[in-house]
Amino acid sequence: DTGVSQDPRHKITKRGQNVTFRCDPISEHNRLYWYRQTLGQGPEFLTYFQNEAQLEKSRLLSDRFSAERPKGSFSTLEIQRTEQGDSAMYLCASSLARVPGPNNEQFFGPGTRLTVL
Amino acid sequence: KNQVEQSPQSLIILEGKNCTLQCNYTVSPFSNLRWYKQDTGRGPVSLTIMTFSENTKSNGRYTATLDADTKQSSLHITASQLSDSASYICVVGDDTDKLIFGTGTRLQVFP
Repeated sequence: DTGVSQDPRHKITKRGQNVTFRCDPISEHNRLYWYRQTLGQGPEFLTYFQNEAQLEKSRLLSDRFSAERPKGSFSTLEIQRTEQGDSAMYLCASSLARVPGPNNEQFFGPGTRLTVL
Repeated sequence: KNQVEQSPQSLIILEGKNCTLQCNYTVSPFSNLRWYKQDTGRGPVSLTIMTFSENTKSNGRYTATLDADTKQSSLHITASQLSDSASYICVVGDDTDKLIFGTGTRLQVFP
């Protein structure tokens, strides 16, 4: 296993179209996170999963955004009716939470760069 | 409001020189502080993770310090190399595993 992978790496779409991104975490990592990063800014938390359960969603995640992790392995992030403001890098990260607590190292994927025309 | 602020915004140094990046945070409850390196167009890579009881942590030529009383951290890079050119992001974790990212310091190392 070489790390967290994301697909596609780049996506160009027209405003109003739907897009779906995929993230494959490191094998046996039980937590998976989605972040959004705009140019010149740090990543912003969107949502995270513990196995297949979505435990928290940021208020940044509008109704047009939906994330799933159906079998507790890979995850998808769908954006419906894309807007130009959705243009950003979408990052996925995974971690192995062995014990309760927050100090788990998160490993990031290379990201999917979305451009909405 | 939970915030992480970094300075300087950008920095240019010559290869072989040392540099120090600063981070101030107002995150509560505080759990840990991390430094990440992010190459252009790539995902962040973890350099160090420190809990409130740790004052310093090293990873090769990278040394991070933490003062939990003043809520400040620094990342010191020794004997810089061209490959150190990247953005360095200070990240604070709260007690729910959520990470709050700074906007980063863009470091450029020239020969």
